[in-house]
Amino acid sequence: DVKVTQSSRYLVKRTGEKVFLECVQDMDHENMFWYRQDPGLGLRLIYFSYDVKMKEKGDIPEGYSVSREKKERFSLILESASTNQTSMYLCASSSRGQPQHFGDGTRLSIL
Amino acid sequence: LAKTTQPISMDSYEGQEVNITCSHNNIATNDYITWYQQFPSQGPRFIIQGYKTKVTNEVASLFIPADRKSSTLSLPRVSLSDTAVYYCLVVIGFSGGYNKLIFGAGTRLAVHP
Repeated sequence: DVKVTQSSRYLVKRTGEKVFLECVQDMDHENMFWYRQDPGLGLRLIYFSYDVKMKEKGDIPEGYSVSREKKERFSLILESASTNQTSMYLCASSSRGQPQHFGDGTRLSIL
Repeated sequence: LAKTTQPISMDSYEGQEVNITCSHNNIATNDYITWYQQFPSQGPRFIIQGYKTKVTNEVASLFIPADRKSSTLSLPRVSLSDTAVYYCLVVIGFSGGYNKLIFGAGTRLAVHP
């Protein structure tokens, strides 16, 4: 089975902090994704990566950046956290042309 | 981008077959249909994917008519643990090696004893 592991299930940070969310997959997938999920808005794509050191903006990249130094690891960075970034963050990975597999999410609260 | 429409909620009882229909009127030739299941506080879990006709795996079947403007996810003999949100997605076909997913509101399925 594909395993996508997100480093924290719950995280509480303060406004203005730099926040790192980590994601690791164990299936040698080329593609990795970061989404956020909010009630009434569904899942929205923030960034994705199709190879090491490569990244592409998704639909809502503002206020976020990403890093992919190794194939199995994809990090989401909130440069200066704000309260409107309180959300559930989901990481996913896939092989080319194959379905995405999701982690269990990180529920992030910004106070 | 193809938009999907599915019922907001459905109710069923243990042991029944559940069919959730999704419409996707402007699906393109290269697009295919994927269904995900999501439990509270968990990420979506891939259930099944198809292009046309019928696809079956160990947990569900997917029926897609010839015009591909709709699809039906069939869950045989549901149990209480099938209570979840089910998402129908039209996946943009193979653009650049990754598949862009657009999640709608999904269908909340409640299975009762």
